[in-house]
Amino acid sequence: GENVEQHPSTLSVQEGDSAVIKCTYSDSASNYFPWYKQELGKRPQLIIDIRSNVGEKKDQRIAVTLNKTAKHFSLHITETQPEDSAVYFCAASGASYDKVIFGPGTSLSVIP
Amino acid sequence: DSGVTQTPKHLITATGQRVTLRCSPRSGDLSVYWYQQSLDQGLQFLIQYYNGEERAKGNILERFSAQQFPDLHSELNLSSLELGDSALYFCASSVGDLRSYEQYFGPGTRLTVT
Repeated sequence: GENVEQHPSTLSVQEGDSAVIKCTYSDSASNYFPWYKQELGKRPQLIIDIRSNVGEKKDQRIAVTLNKTAKHFSLHITETQPEDSAVYFCAASGASYDKVIFGPGTSLSVIP
Repeated sequence: DSGVTQTPKHLITATGQRVTLRCSPRSGDLSVYWYQQSLDQGLQFLIQYYNGEERAKGNILERFSAQQFPDLHSELNLSSLELGDSALYFCASSVGDLRSYEQYFGPGTRLTVT
């Protein structure tokens, strides 16, 4: 069935360092890959997304890369700041084009 | 503010009871999704409706049901509640067509079953 794996489950970095979160998906038909940030007690919010016709997308300190052949995609956060501390979820569209399957999440802590 | 509203914000009830959670999507969005997030857990997709009809089903228990009304608001009904049903329930909405897959999440309803 449809499945999205995400690693690591927890990540701790020093302020200013980079953070990388990796995801793999199982459905080769997936063509949309969003990333959500969820701060404690709040709703998930979309921070960046990528479609299968693009290999990389960047938005200021955040970038996402996609390797469709290997069925994996990654989130890169550069120059991390304490406010980047949150749980990050990757997701991949499923068999139904507008259904997404979420990964289990990565808890990122940025140490000042 | 995402434009998606959910009521109530908090709900405390006893085992065996039935509750209804309500969601109003963003103006213009036709798709509504329901997710369950248990403590320290990820987002479990429950069910999706598009313009009043069920479009996709995830790990939704038979004790749970949902519907989307003509005005596009949606309700998630949880019955015969168990302690393990305690969780944060999110609703999300999207345009629902190939132009945009982006989902906008509501603030969630925190359900506590005692």
